[in-house]
Amino acid sequence: DGGITQSPKYLFRKEGQNVTLSCEQNLNHDAMYWYRQDPGQGLRLIYYSQIVNDFQKGDIAEGYSVSREKKESFPLTVTSAQKNPTAFYLCASSIPGGFNEQFFGPGTRLTVL
Amino acid sequence: AQSVSQHNHHVILSEAASLELGCNYSYGGTVNLFWYVQYPGQHLQLLLKYFSGDPLVKGIKGFEAEFIKSKFSFNLRKPSVQWSDTAEYFCAVNDAGNQFYFGTGTSLTVIP
Repeated sequence: DGGITQSPKYLFRKEGQNVTLSCEQNLNHDAMYWYRQDPGQGLRLIYYSQIVNDFQKGDIAEGYSVSREKKESFPLTVTSAQKNPTAFYLCASSIPGGFNEQFFGPGTRLTVL
Repeated sequence: AQSVSQHNHHVILSEAASLELGCNYSYGGTVNLFWYVQYPGQHLQLLLKYFSGDPLVKGIKGFEAEFIKSKFSFNLRKPSVQWSDTAEYFCAVNDAGNQFYFGTGTSLTVIP
């Protein structure tokens, strides 16, 4: 089955701790994305990567970091510098090109206590 | 940056009613337009997309959308909704670049 997996589904962390969210895809897509979804705010882009070993900041990158060492994987680290990290995080992938749709994972709900 | 507006935040309809959800975007150049749906407990999935050709596009489950360039709009329609259409709907725009811009979403509740 081709798709995107995100783990874990729910994640709890104490304030001040860094946490890494996993995103893996087996769709052979070059482009991968991380979004944050908050009620009433839609999806906001955190980071995206068009190719291995390259990534760009999105609209709300502050307090987050990513890596893209493999085509299949695009982990997101939520650092202690992120002021309001509790949110639903979505990973997506696509074939590069604006007319190609994105495929989304099931999401990770992060709660920082 | 682009902006995408979805003016209907929460819509409640009875089954068999007609649906129209508004979507307006800010960019005046070439755009690719998408509607995604998020059913309760499920992944976001594509309903339909437009990138060229006939401005009236048809998607899955009887949905369609019309691209009106002069109005910067890409409204989603369905002639007769079903209870199973209860979901959150997102409009998204790509300005032929690498980023997608999403609206704030419209929550649709269909009452049986």
